[in-house]
Amino acid sequence: DIQMTQSPSTLFASVGDRVTITCRASQSISYWLAWYQQKPGKAPKLLIYKASSLESGVSSRFSGSGSGTEFTLTISSLQPEDSATYYCQQYNSYSWTFGQGTKVEIK
Amino acid sequence: QVQLQESGPGLVKPSGTLSLTCAVSGGSISSSNWWSWVRQPPGKGLEWIGEIYHGGNTNYNPSLKSRISISVDKSKNQFSLKLSSVTAADTAVYYCASRPDDGVRMVFANWGQGTLVTVSS
Repeated sequence: DIQMTQSPSTLFASVGDRVTITCRASQSISYWLAWYQQKPGKAPKLLIYKASSLESGVSSRFSGSGSGTEFTLTISSLQPEDSATYYCQQYNSYSWTFGQGTKVEIK
Repeated sequence: QVQLQESGPGLVKPSGTLSLTCAVSGGSISSSNWWSWVRQPPGKGLEWIGEIYHGGNTNYNPSLKSRISISVDKSKNQFSLKLSSVTAADTAVYYCASRPDDGVRMVFANWGQGTLVTVSS
């Protein structure tokens, strides 16, 4: 199984800050990496697919980068509504695994 | 886009079988989507369980494969999950989701609201 490790586990930032979350894969997954946002009591929402492609309708504040084993999600200017938990997800050989999540809180 | 709604018992006894159904609306279950199940234990992360295509092809999480069965009912436009020999570790919010069969994104694009299943005597 491919393991996904996110850092940090929790992040405190102010409105307007640039925020970066890292996701590392235990082996190369090329660009098969997605990012989701989950708010309390809600289902996850797809933000980014294929490492850097923005899902339709998602704010351009969100961007993704990386390939191989190291990936990042960046929020260019943090807004109050971005307070949530963010998960990375990898795909390999018809199997999917998620990172443990990064909780983003507003200072 | 399709809407998904999970249903099923909220309480299952240990060693029993968890059974959930996901109703698909706003589109056909025979469309170009894989139909998936993902779960989330309280306060924890997400775990992919498995998926099915309308033709009956399935992919399962290797760690759960021996206990799960996913089926599709085209006449009712729904798909179902059965998880056998459950323990407290199977307590989770269970989500159904759709994965577009576009060969491009390999992601879960639409999700149901989720349903909490507790395993307890």
